Amino acid sequence: AQSVTQLGSHVSVSEGALVLLRCNYSSSVPPYLFWYVQYPNQGLQLLLKYTSAATLVKGINGFEAEFKKSETSFHLTKPSAHMSDAAEYFCAVSEGAAGNKLTFGGGTRVLVKP
Amino acid sequence: EAGVAQSPRYKIIEKRQSVAFWCNPISGHATLYWYQQILGQGPKLLIQFQNNGVVDDSQLPKDRFSAERLKGVDSTLKIQPAKLEDSAVYLCASRASYNEQFFGPGTRLTVL
Repeated sequence: AQSVTQLGSHVSVSEGALVLLRCNYSSSVPPYLFWYVQYPNQGLQLLLKYTSAATLVKGINGFEAEFKKSETSFHLTKPSAHMSDAAEYFCAVSEGAAGNKLTFGGGTRVLVKP
Repeated sequence: EAGVAQSPRYKIIEKRQSVAFWCNPISGHATLYWYQQILGQGPKLLIQFQNNGVVDDSQLPKDRFSAERLKGVDSTLKIQPAKLEDSAVYLCASRASYNEQFFGPGTRLTVL
C-alpha cells in the first residue's frame, strides 16, 4: 500500500524567504509523485510531477521538487515566497500509471507574512 | 479548454436528508474520480470510473453513497441519508490516458 506523509500542517514564511515543504512517501513500486496547490474555495491545481525522468522537477510559479529515492522524499521548494503563494499544498503518490489512483498527504497550509 | 465543472458549489442539509452532486469532466477524458476532502485533511478517493464502468469503489460507503456515470460523460454522486460526518468538500477529477488528474472546484457540503 502507498502512503504520503507531509511534515508540518502549517508553515509560516516571510515574503522573499525560502519556502520548503516536506513530503515523504511509501510505495512498493517505483512511484509517480505530484504536488498540488489548493487556493481557498477552489479545486486542486497541479504544480509539478515526477514520472521517473529527471530527479529535479521544475513546476509552475517558480516551484521545484527533488526526488530522492534513498530518502523516499519529494520536498517542494521555492527560493523566494510571494504573497500569492499563500495556499494549501498537497503531496500525492500514484502507483502504476502516472496520475492514476492518487493517495494524498494531509496537506501543508502556507502563510506568507509581509 | 473548459475545465471540470461541478454543481452545486455549496449545499447545506440536515442529517438524514438526501443530496446529489453533479460533475461534468473535461471533454474526452475517459477516467473520472470522486474524492471526499474533510476539513484539514487531504482528499480521499471514493470512486473511480473508466468510461461508464466502475474501476474502484473500495472506499465508497455503499450503505449511503452511490454514484453513476451514465453514457460515460457526466457523473452524479448521491448521499442518502446524510450523516454529520459527511460534511466535507466533494471533489470531482478527470483524466486522459497517461496524464495527470484535473480537478473541479468542488462542492462544499454542510450537514446540520
